[in-house]
Amino acid sequence: DIQLTQSPSTLSASVGDRVTITCRASQRVLAWLAWYQQKPGKAPKLLIYDVSSLEGGVPSRFRGSGSGTLFTLTITSLQPDDFATYYCQLYSQQDSSYSTTFGQGTKVEIK
Amino acid sequence: QPQLQESGPGLVKPSETLSLTCTVSGGSIGSSTYYWAWIRQPPGKGPEWIGSVYSSGSTFYNPSLKSRVTISLDTSKNQFSLKVTSVTAADTAVYFCARDDRAPNAYYGLDVWGQGTTVTVSS
Repeated sequence: DIQLTQSPSTLSASVGDRVTITCRASQRVLAWLAWYQQKPGKAPKLLIYDVSSLEGGVPSRFRGSGSGTLFTLTITSLQPDDFATYYCQLYSQQDSSYSTTFGQGTKVEIK
Repeated sequence: QPQLQESGPGLVKPSETLSLTCTVSGGSIGSSTYYWAWIRQPPGKGPEWIGSVYSSGSTFYNPSLKSRVTISLDTSKNQFSLKVTSVTAADTAVYFCARDDRAPNAYYGLDVWGQGTTVTVSS
């Protein structure tokens, strides 16, 4: 099974900061990566799909990048609404089946 | 965008079967080209994909849960359902249903979610 490791687990930052979250896959496979934002008591919200494509309605300060086994989510200028927990999700296909797994999360806190 | 709403018992006894339903409004799940997914999130942990069902009824399951999970579609009611057998305390979680947007050689993410329902396994 492919494992996803996010770092850091917790990140303290201030409004206006540039923030980078990393997601590392345990093996290189044909796969697609997405990023989600989750606030307490709410469902995750899709931010980025296919590594770097911005979901409709998501602010352009959210940027996804990466390839192979290393992927990043960057928030170019942190806003008050961005304090939340972020998860990466890997979707992989093999033969006629597929599976998807999530990282353990990165909590972005107010510094 | 469709709206999704989970429903079902909030308390299930150990060894029994957990049953949840997701009602979809604002779109027909039987005629769509989307997959429909169940995801759960134990307290304080990240989400875990349980499985997905296509409009044709084809299903895909998380290998770690496959022996205990069934996902099915009821197109007449525009609903899809989840059953997890032989539950234990480890199945205690918030359960979400979501739209799973993908195509051959493409993946667009879990783009529409229900609000989630808390299920506790306890005697």
